[in-house]
Amino acid sequence: AQSVTQLGSHVSVSEGALVLLRCNYSSSVPPYLFWYVQYPNQGLQLLLKYTTGATLVKGINGFEAEFKKSETSFHLTKPSAHMSDAAEYFCAVSYSGGGADGLTFGKGTHLIIQP
Amino acid sequence: GAGVSQSPSNKVTEKGKDVELRCDPISGHTALYWYRQSLGQGLEFLIYFQGNSAPDKSGLPSDRFSAERTGGSVSTLTIQRTQQEDSAVYLCASSLGGSVSGNTIYFGEGSWLTVV
Repeated sequence: AQSVTQLGSHVSVSEGALVLLRCNYSSSVPPYLFWYVQYPNQGLQLLLKYTTGATLVKGINGFEAEFKKSETSFHLTKPSAHMSDAAEYFCAVSYSGGGADGLTFGKGTHLIIQP
Repeated sequence: GAGVSQSPSNKVTEKGKDVELRCDPISGHTALYWYRQSLGQGLEFLIYFQGNSAPDKSGLPSDRFSAERTGGSVSTLTIQRTQQEDSAVYLCASSLGGSVSGNTIYFGEGSWLTVV
C-alpha cells in the first residue's frame, strides 16, 4: 500500500528564514506527488504537483518542491518565510493516476512563523 | 457558486442521532470525493464518485456511513447512529475529471461535526 510520511507535525521558522517541509513516500513505481495547504477554517488548496518531466516543480506563493527518486522524497521549500505562510501543509501521493482512491495524504505539518 | 460548497459548516449532534452532510461540487465537475480529517490523523479517503460509474466506497469506515450523488451533481454523506469517534471535519472535493495527474482537485471548507 502506498504511504506518505511527513517529518515533523509542527515546524517553526522565523519570518524571512528558509522553509523546509519534509515528505517521503513509499513506492516501487513512479508516483504522482502533491502539496496542499490549508489555512485556518478553510479547505485545502493545491500548492504544486509533480506528475512527469522536470523534477523541480514551482508552485504558488513562492513555494517549490523537488522530486528525488533516489531518496523517495518530495520536500517543500520556500526561500523566505512570510507571516501569511502560517498554515497546515499536506503532502499527498497517487500511483494510479486516476481517481481519489489513489490519492493518499500525509498527516500534515503545521507551519508556524515567528516574527 | 465558484467553489465547492458544503453545508452545514458546523454540526453538533447527540450520540446515536443520524446526520446528513451536503456537498455542491463545482459546476461541470464529474468527479466528487469525500474525505474525513481528524485531529492529528491527516485526511482519510471515504468515497469517490466519477460520472455515472458505481462509486468507490472502499474508504467508508463502517456500514453506518453512506453517500449518494443525485443527478451527477449534489452529494449527501449520511452517518447513522453517530458515535463520538465520528467527530471530525468532513471535506468534500471535486475535479473536472477522474485523473489526479491531469485534473486539479478543489476542496470545500468542510463540515465540522461534533458528536456529544
